[in-house]
Amino acid sequence: AQSVAQPEDQVNVAEGNPLTVKCTYSVSGNPYLFWYVQYPNRGLQFLLKYITGDNLVKGSYGFEAEFNKSQTSFHLKKPSALVSDSALYFCAVRDRGSTLGRLYFGRGTQLTVWP
Amino acid sequence: EAQVTQNPRYLITVTGKKLTVTCSQNMNHEYMSWYRQDPGLGLRQIYYSMNVEVTDKGDVPEGYKVSRKEKRNFPLILESPSPNQTSLYFCASRGTGANVLTFGAGSRLTVL
Repeated sequence: AQSVAQPEDQVNVAEGNPLTVKCTYSVSGNPYLFWYVQYPNRGLQFLLKYITGDNLVKGSYGFEAEFNKSQTSFHLKKPSALVSDSALYFCAVRDRGSTLGRLYFGRGTQLTVWP
Repeated sequence: EAQVTQNPRYLITVTGKKLTVTCSQNMNHEYMSWYRQDPGLGLRQIYYSMNVEVTDKGDVPEGYKVSRKEKRNFPLILESPSPNQTSLYFCASRGTGANVLTFGAGSRLTVL
């Protein structure tokens, strides 16, 4: 069974500090991994994805994530947080061997960056 | 502009009064899906469709119906809404072979 865990409901960080939003996953095969962001009163927006290749993936707005197969993790990071990064972040996984291509989401992590 | 459009964005209704949330995409995507978002539970898939006339249940299909008569439209039907269907609903789509979902802006439904 596929599943995604985001162990922290909330992450608080000061502007200018590095941030990490954690994600671990479980799939029966090899994963496709994604991060989406949701701003207030908006739909989810794609941030970045890991499909294959380099384990460090760079995405929009200066975010990056590292795929770690041995730890089954895909943590989202940014070297220097901005107040405008405050939002709800979702990690998602898809089994690349699945013909259905269903995406499984974590419960979300609320990131708050204070000035 | 490539987008997924949902209507209505906000709706307050009463128990038992049938309602439909429409979803339309202009990207010629084959795959479409409905999710509900509840605090602490993240996004849970209600129904999905791989193409016209092909639909299947997700994780929480009870109390919902869908149809896919045209490629661009994927309405979500609540035949007899109940208060436990009060939620934020998202429609999403993607093309065949693509990996990234495009989401609508969401429809906040309250059932009294």
